[in-house]
Amino acid sequence: QQQVKQSPQSLIVQKGGISIINCAYENTAFDYFPWYQQFPGKGPALLIAIRPDVSEKKEGRFTISFNKSAKQFSLHIMDSQPGDSATYFCAASMESGGATNKLIFGTGTLLAVQP
Amino acid sequence: ETGVTQSPTHLIKTRGQQVTLRCSSQSGHNTVSWYQQALGQGPQFIFQYYREEENGRGNFPPRFSGLQFPNYSSELNVNALELDDSALYLCASSQGRDSGNTIYFGEGSWLTVV
Repeated sequence: QQQVKQSPQSLIVQKGGISIINCAYENTAFDYFPWYQQFPGKGPALLIAIRPDVSEKKEGRFTISFNKSAKQFSLHIMDSQPGDSATYFCAASMESGGATNKLIFGTGTLLAVQP
Repeated sequence: ETGVTQSPTHLIKTRGQQVTLRCSSQSGHNTVSWYQQALGQGPQFIFQYYREEENGRGNFPPRFSGLQFPNYSSELNVNALELDDSALYLCASSQGRDSGNTIYFGEGSWLTVV
């Protein structure tokens, strides 16, 4: 119930296209859903995040769509660029008596944007 | 740059040895978490420190231990190293431990156990 399932494992998109990565969760206690971008040899960097009271959040070319009833959320990268080629992780956290901002990560999606 | 710095960046240890990894949190951040990221996997939560006290622990054995200092910097210690401990160890800091506080990651320390 603590898992976050992410798909696809890898994705190839042409430059200018839309990249879509999906995540699903079971635990309805999750209340914060960030997306992280990780380049080889680097630590994860926060891209965008959403709370479950909002169905969509957009920041530049990056959009999170959130479906609370389906317990799914997705990252859309518009006008994908070769510089977006990286591994993307969805994550979730929830208020709890212990580590309240412990992140549960998905398994990652390796995105390759072809020029 | 996130302001979270880790050292060393790379190290090689022999099975059975002990290792200490260090982390300086971003200025003003009182919460530090450690994650283990195996090759090709997502980061896994090890534990969190809030104001110098352990504030939650993931599914890692007791040979993984840590400290947080008054300046909020932190150490991760791993005893009796095993081959499976080979991974990228990530330190993350945040301004508080509430869910939703932005978590910033360092570049990580690559540990290879041979």
